[in-house]
Amino acid sequence: AQSVTQLDSHVSVSEGTPVLLRCNYSSSYSPSLFWYVQHPNKGLQLLLKYTSAATLVKGINGFEAEFKKSETSFHLTKPSAHMSDAAEYFCVVSATDYYGGSQGNLIFGKGTKLSVKP
Amino acid sequence: EAQVTQNPRYLITVTGKKLTVTCSQNMNHEYMSWYRQDPGLGLRQIYYSMNVEVTDKGDVPEGYKVSRKEKRNFPLILESPSPNQTSLYFCASSFYRNTEAFFGQGTRLTVV
Repeated sequence: AQSVTQLDSHVSVSEGTPVLLRCNYSSSYSPSLFWYVQHPNKGLQLLLKYTSAATLVKGINGFEAEFKKSETSFHLTKPSAHMSDAAEYFCVVSATDYYGGSQGNLIFGKGTKLSVKP
Repeated sequence: EAQVTQNPRYLITVTGKKLTVTCSQNMNHEYMSWYRQDPGLGLRQIYYSMNVEVTDKGDVPEGYKVSRKEKRNFPLILESPSPNQTSLYFCASSFYRNTEAFFGQGTRLTVV
């Protein structure tokens, strides 16, 4: 069965310092992985996605994530935090079967709230 | 502009009074779904639809109904709302069930 764990419920950084949001997943076969961001009172917006191409994925607003199969991780990073990055971030996994077909619906992590201090 | 539109954005209702939250997408997506978001629990799927007239239960379907009569619309129906259905609701659509999802702006429902 597939699952996703976001290791921190809350991360606080200072503006201009690096951001690391951690995500581990469990999946039988090749997963698709996504990071979404939710700003206050807004819907979810796709930041980036991994679908078995390059393991280092670049997204919007300077974010990137690296797929590490050996560690079953898909951590989200950004070199320098900006005040506008303060939001909640969701790691999402979707598994495919051996033939590339869907193994089920998207599974969401519980979210990591990112605070950015001036 | 490609989008998923939910209405209303905010709704306060009383226990037992039937309500419908509408959802419409303009991207010709096959797959649509409803989620509820509660603090500390992330997003949990209520119902999903793989195509017109094809719907199925998600993780938390109790107390909800859906229908998919047209490809673009996927309303969420609460026949007899209760206070434990107070939550933030999101509609989403995608080409397939495991591809990136596009979300609506959310509906904040309060049942008193």
